[in-house]
Amino acid sequence: EVQLVESGGDLVQPGGSLRLSCAASGFTFGSYSMNWVRQAPGKGLEWISYISSSGNSIYYADSVRGRFTISRDNGENSLYLQMNSLRAEDTGVYYCARDKGSWYCDYWGQGTLVTVSS
Amino acid sequence: SYELTQPLSVSVALGQTARITCGGNNIGSRNVHWYQQKPGQAPVSVIYRDSNRPSGIPDRFSGSNSGNTATLTISRAQAGDEADYYCQVWDGNTVFGGGTKLTVL
Repeated sequence: EVQLVESGGDLVQPGGSLRLSCAASGFTFGSYSMNWVRQAPGKGLEWISYISSSGNSIYYADSVRGRFTISRDNGENSLYLQMNSLRAEDTGVYYCARDKGSWYCDYWGQGTLVTVSS
Repeated sequence: SYELTQPLSVSVALGQTARITCGGNNIGSRNVHWYQQKPGQAPVSVIYRDSNRPSGIPDRFSGSNSGNTATLTISRAQAGDEADYYCQVWDGNTVFGGGTKLTVL
């Protein structure tokens, strides 16, 4: 059974940093690209970052480029999102999602909540 | 940047057919994916690449895509289908529609 479990969400002050993790199991993690998608309270889904299976191709949404860094450790079956210079508008639930090809997210984690507030 | 337009809400009578549209410039030339999200839960894929159903998704869910509109169709709507539905395409980056709240009356 495919499982994605996010962790690392917390309350952080504006300007602060946070590192999210996504632990994958039930599939060959190193064979799949992965995504981070977030959802602000009461709002829709917003894609924020993609990383290819090898880690060689990485993309970011304009809203986070230069502040967030996606990475992965295929040996540890884990995906990460390093978030720096956090802003109030970064508040939301962050999901990791497996990319099945054609930029299609076939499995999603349950999400981890990030709150940026003073 | 590419934009996807969804109606904010759609209502359907129990047992009837709901259609949720997703508009975009020449969207028919792109692969469209659809996700269902119930309150407090993660999104779940219901249609991928325009018209394919993942395993476990009832055949009441179907999709089409042509011209400037993609459509998610839910036949014989049930109370359990009440949820937010999002369309998604790739345009250099992944783009989601704003979401449609489906109400089953």
